[in-house]
Amino acid sequence: TQLLEQSPQFLSIQEGENLTVYCNSSSVFSSLQWYRQEPGEGPVLLVTVVTGGEVKKLKRLTFQFGDARKDSSLHITAAQPGDTGLYLCAGSSFWKLTFGTGTQLKVEL
Amino acid sequence: DSGVTQTPKHLITATGQRVTLRCSPRSGDLSVYWYQQSLDQGLQFLIQYYNGEERAKGNILERFSAQQFPDLHSELNLSSLELGDSALYFCASSVGSRGSYEQYFGPGTRLTVT
Repeated sequence: TQLLEQSPQFLSIQEGENLTVYCNSSSVFSSLQWYRQEPGEGPVLLVTVVTGGEVKKLKRLTFQFGDARKDSSLHITAAQPGDTGLYLCAGSSFWKLTFGTGTQLKVEL
Repeated sequence: DSGVTQTPKHLITATGQRVTLRCSPRSGDLSVYWYQQSLDQGLQFLIQYYNGEERAKGNILERFSAQQFPDLHSELNLSSLELGDSALYFCASSVGSRGSYEQYFGPGTRLTVT
């Protein structure tokens, strides 16, 4: 069974702070996706990383795929209240997408 | 807006009843996936259809079934409902049949079983 553990589970920070969310597994994935979900809504795809060691930037968000394609991180610079939400990583292997346990982020003024 | 539509938005029903959730994928997407999200279980994959055929099964109960129609919309049928079936049900779609294809999620159906 493929498991994706995210840490931290909860994170409450002040506006302007930086943060990093981790997504770890013992399994190798062909690609890894990050989603953000707001209460009562569906997850929204943020990025897909495919190559081991790959780094992608999306404005203030930086995503990295581990060299061995087993883990990933999401770094947010100068967090804003609009970044508040549930962040989910999801590892892809053949037909299956396995979702991580989620990180609930709250950014306060 | 992901382009995936789901109806209804909310559903309240009693234990033992049967309900049908509907999903229309993004234009051009052939795969439809169903997920269940509850507070204690996170986002759980239920089942996938690709171009009308069942492609993969996840943690789907025998009381649940799904199908994908020729126009590619999909329905998830939940029967003999129990209190524990209360959850958010999401449909997602992708262009291909493999999980490596990016999945786009609908707004979900919130099911409450009383």
